[in-house]
Amino acid sequence: SQTIHQWPATLVQPVGSPLSLECTVEGTSNPNLYWYRQAAGRGLQLLFYSVGIGQISSEVPQNLSASRPQDRQFILSSKKLLLSDSGFYLCAWRSVYGYTFGSGTRLTVV
Amino acid sequence: GNSVTQMEGPVTLSEEAFLTINCTYTATGYPSLFWYVQYPGEGLQLLLKATKADDKGSNKGFEATYRKETTSFHLEKGSVQVSDSAVYFCALDRGSTLGRLYFGRGTQLTVWP
Repeated sequence: SQTIHQWPATLVQPVGSPLSLECTVEGTSNPNLYWYRQAAGRGLQLLFYSVGIGQISSEVPQNLSASRPQDRQFILSSKKLLLSDSGFYLCAWRSVYGYTFGSGTRLTVV
Repeated sequence: GNSVTQMEGPVTLSEEAFLTINCTYTATGYPSLFWYVQYPGEGLQLLLKATKADDKGSNKGFEATYRKETTSFHLEKGSVQVSDSAVYFCALDRGSTLGRLYFGRGTQLTVWP
């Protein structure tokens, strides 16, 4: 079966600290992968997408970066977190049947 | 451009009340339309979808009809339950190779017993 794993579920980090969120998928190969963010009071915004290993595209300029070191691994990172990076981060992948979302990471920057 | 405009929340209803959450869209071409639900502490789950005009998506008592003439995809349920309390997102997919979704801002629904 096709599943998506995302961790951690919650995270509290101080301003200026680094960030690494990981997402892995199982049961598929060469998926399109996506990172979305839901900031407080706002809708889901696409941050990054990847169509293959090492291929990353950014939708909006920001304090974050993404990497895809393996076919089924997608990582969201920051060198120095800002307060405005707080939000709910969702990883997703797309198949011919539609989208599957991870369970999300609630990030609070303090 | 492509966008989704969704009814502002929060929406508070009593159990067994009728629910409507409005969603309108702007898109080029012929997008697919979706409703996603996010229960407390969980990620998004697909609730229903419609891929062409006049299609009706339905699931768990929820329905939405793809209306191209009014560019709408309103979510309805005849009798809500406490367990329906969640955040509901309307979304569209233009069908591009990128495959990105455009989301509305989400509507918080709270159902009281």
